[in-house]
This record gives sequence, structure tokens and C-alpha cells, in this order.
Amino acid sequence: DADVTQTPRNRITKTGKRIMLECSQTKGHDRMYWYRQDPGLGLRLIYYSFDVKDINKGEISDGYSVSRQAQAKFSLSLESAIPNQTALYFCATRGAGTSSTDTQYFGPGTRLTVL
Amino acid sequence: QKEVEQNSGPLSVPEGAIASLNCTYSDRGSQSFFWYRQYSGKSPELIMSIYSNGDKEDGRFTAQLNKASQYVSLLIRDSQPSDSATYLCAVKAGRRALTFGSGTRLQVQP
Repeated sequence: DADVTQTPRNRITKTGKRIMLECSQTKGHDRMYWYRQDPGLGLRLIYYSFDVKDINKGEISDGYSVSRQAQAKFSLSLESAIPNQTALYFCATRGAGTSSTDTQYFGPGTRLTVL
Repeated sequence: QKEVEQNSGPLSVPEGAIASLNCTYSDRGSQSFFWYRQYSGKSPELIMSIYSNGDKEDGRFTAQLNKASQYVSLLIRDSQPSDSATYLCAVKAGRRALTFGSGTRLQVQP
């Protein structure tokens, strides 16, 4: 089974709808991240969480919110989806500790299309 | 100025050649440096990490770091068609999350 899972894998929705993307991990990592990827723009950080009570905005948090329901679960919500939120969304996890544990592990991604 | 810059490519090399991918970064406080490989439509996969100046080798891959010049590179020896992908450079400073470059697309011609 995959260590980092995302649901749904694909979603098509309409402008103005509320959407939730979910991420679960079995790696036991404290740190979780949400990124979006657009062609030619690389991965941009939306939100990140160091633990259940520590949630931080990334560089492009406007229009998004998150919930860290448990150490293993980190959800991303679009309260009112708009077409320019069409993108590939990745969840990632990382263990706390020294630089040797800096590796971020990515989920398979969710392709979101907002019409 | 972007925090992490990469040439978008495509970088085209013949099979068996050395592919050289480059990345520059702006934050002098950066401490950790990573190269991820991403196949089209797939998630990024870590292939190399480097933390100190110099070279680090792992199989056909060599990462090179020069903090004074704020430059990190990835060399792929004996390039194979299966190496064709987008390579993402990522940089970390302190408690901050990784900052990614926009990636370089590599094409290895059979």
C-alpha cells in the first residue's frame, strides 16, 4: 500500500462549488504539505503543518483552507472554486529531525478541473 | 527574481551521454538541496540530496553544490531514454518548507 494517499485522484467541478481534497499518510510523519503544480511554474506551496496544532500559510494560500484532523490526515479545501484553481495538487510528508530526514515524500496527486 | 531558478529546457542529449542540469538559488541561508525526478502526470520522486559543498555520487547520478556561488547541479552519466523526465531542484532554509524550481525537461534520444 502507498505511504501517502490522496483522494480523489481526479475531480471536475463547477465554479463556486466547495471542494475538499484529502491526504492520508502511514509514514508516521509530523509534517505535511499541500502544493499545486501548474505547467511551467513548478510546485508552489499552499499550506503546511508541523503538527496538528501548527498550521502555516504558504506562498499561495488565498482561496484555500486546510484542516489537520490527525497526525495522519491533512485536508485542503477550496471554499468557492474558480477556474484558475485548475491544477495538479500534491500532498507531501516529511519526518521531523535532522537534515538526514529532510526527504519529502509525495502522494500521487489530484488533478482538479474547475469549469 | 525567483528563489530557485532552472532552465526549463528541453535539454536534449543522446543515449549514453552525460546530462548536466543546473540550478541557482537566492537564499544564502539555504542548508539542504534536493533533486527530484518527475515523469509526466506523476508525483515527484527524490533522487539526490546534498547538504555540504562538493560532489555527492549515487550510481549514475552526481550532485554538486557550491554555496559560495549559490549553485547546485545534477549530472547524469550514461543517460538512458528512461531518464527522460522533468528534474526539479528544491532548496530548504531553516524551518521553511522546500522551495522548488520550475524544473528542467530532459529528453534522452535513443
